[in-house]
Amino acid sequence: DQQVKQNSPSLSVQEGRISILNCDYTNSMFDYFLWYKKYPAEGPTFLISISSIKDKNEDGRFTVFLNKSAKHLSLHIVPSQPGDSAVYFCAARSQGGSEKLVFGKGTKLTVNP
Amino acid sequence: DAMVIQNPRYQVTQFGKPVTLSCSQTLNHNVMYWYQQKSSQAPKLLFHYYDKDFNNEADTPDNFQSRRPNTSFCFLDIRSPGLGDAAMYLCATSRGGIGPAYEQYFGPGTRLTVT
Repeated sequence: DQQVKQNSPSLSVQEGRISILNCDYTNSMFDYFLWYKKYPAEGPTFLISISSIKDKNEDGRFTVFLNKSAKHLSLHIVPSQPGDSAVYFCAARSQGGSEKLVFGKGTKLTVNP
Repeated sequence: DAMVIQNPRYQVTQFGKPVTLSCSQTLNHNVMYWYQQKSSQAPKLLFHYYDKDFNNEADTPDNFQSRRPNTSFCFLDIRSPGLGDAAMYLCATSRGGIGPAYEQYFGPGTRLTVT
């Protein structure tokens, strides 16, 4: 059973507009959430994270929002750029200092010029 | 630059012929992970080492083994590859511990083909 779900396999947006990638989770013991970006033929690279004690974290064009009651987080990219085209993975870590992450299946973002 | 290196990037092996994938890191991280990723799927953790302590996932087949001879290197051994083992294999590292130490740093992956 999937504990981290990314229900949209793909998303297409125009350059300059906002991209919103969604992630849902089922395990209330998760205490950190991360977003990774993956280009073809490369490994995932860390993008941004959020602790479960916060509801928002911002880093430049990237903002992650966390809604604990809904067990939902989203990644906003604004403005979107063609170089943002990649697969985005949502990941979560359990409480207690676990060194393991649980990943979603990813959402392929395409930003059209 | 500190990094995670995987060799080879592409590996072709025959059905049933043992194969070893390698990973090295210059980050001096305590934890090293091996993931299997198939197309359009989430990376699936196979096992990880916290220093010398080996942690196997319950659903990792016995066909998959790992060695970590020192802090920098970790190997994935597939004793008898089947066609279903064809996948991207990702190595990752983390410092381990509480707080931001949970961030994992990935290598570029090794694409394994089984013929």
